[in-house]
Amino acid sequence: KQEVTQIPAALSVPEGENLVLNCSFTDSAIYNLQWFRQDPGKGLTSLLLIQSSQREQTSGRLNASLDKSSGRSTLYIAASQPGDSATYLCAVLYSSASKIIFGSGTRLSIRP
Amino acid sequence: DAGVIQSPRHEVTEMGQEVTLRCKPISGHNSLFWYRQTMMRGLELLIYFNNNVPIDDSGMPEDRFSAKMPNASFSTLKIQPSEPRDSAVYFCASSRTTGGVGSPLHFGNGTRLTVT
Repeated sequence: KQEVTQIPAALSVPEGENLVLNCSFTDSAIYNLQWFRQDPGKGLTSLLLIQSSQREQTSGRLNASLDKSSGRSTLYIAASQPGDSATYLCAVLYSSASKIIFGSGTRLSIRP
Repeated sequence: DAGVIQSPRHEVTEMGQEVTLRCKPISGHNSLFWYRQTMMRGLELLIYFNNNVPIDDSGMPEDRFSAKMPNASFSTLKIQPSEPRDSAVYFCASSRTTGGVGSPLHFGNGTRLTVT
């Protein structure tokens, strides 16, 4: 069964720290992996998309990596700020299923 | 670009009534997805369309749910009759897909459905 897992479910860190969010997937045959941010009561905002052929993508203070062989992706957030508080979800487009499977998300809280 | 537009933002209805949710994808996107989000089950894919054709509707919970995409700029998700367990936030998302490789998925702000 093709699954996407995110651990931990919740994380709280003080402002200014660097942090890593984890995402794991069960099948290495993927087209791409995408990281999203969701604020309470809102839709999902795309942060980074990593194609299968890529190892990482960067946008500002965010860096996402992809290791297909181990079925893992990480989202690195540098110099965290209270405005980074949100739920972060990863989603995998599996080659065989041709549909996007979401993890359950990590709820991130940055303490001022 | 206005992004993915969903309407209504909120819908409160009584059990047994018909509910229709609407979505306008981003212009030029050829894939459209309907998701449902609840605290218990997270984000669930209900159905997705490619070039206006339903590709996979295996996530549609039961026959009470139906979805259409009559043209590239409009889709509906209908629930008839609605039940309290259908209460959730329903999201529409779109992307540009070529040969199975997708561009970033863009979400609308969702429709919060409450069935009493």
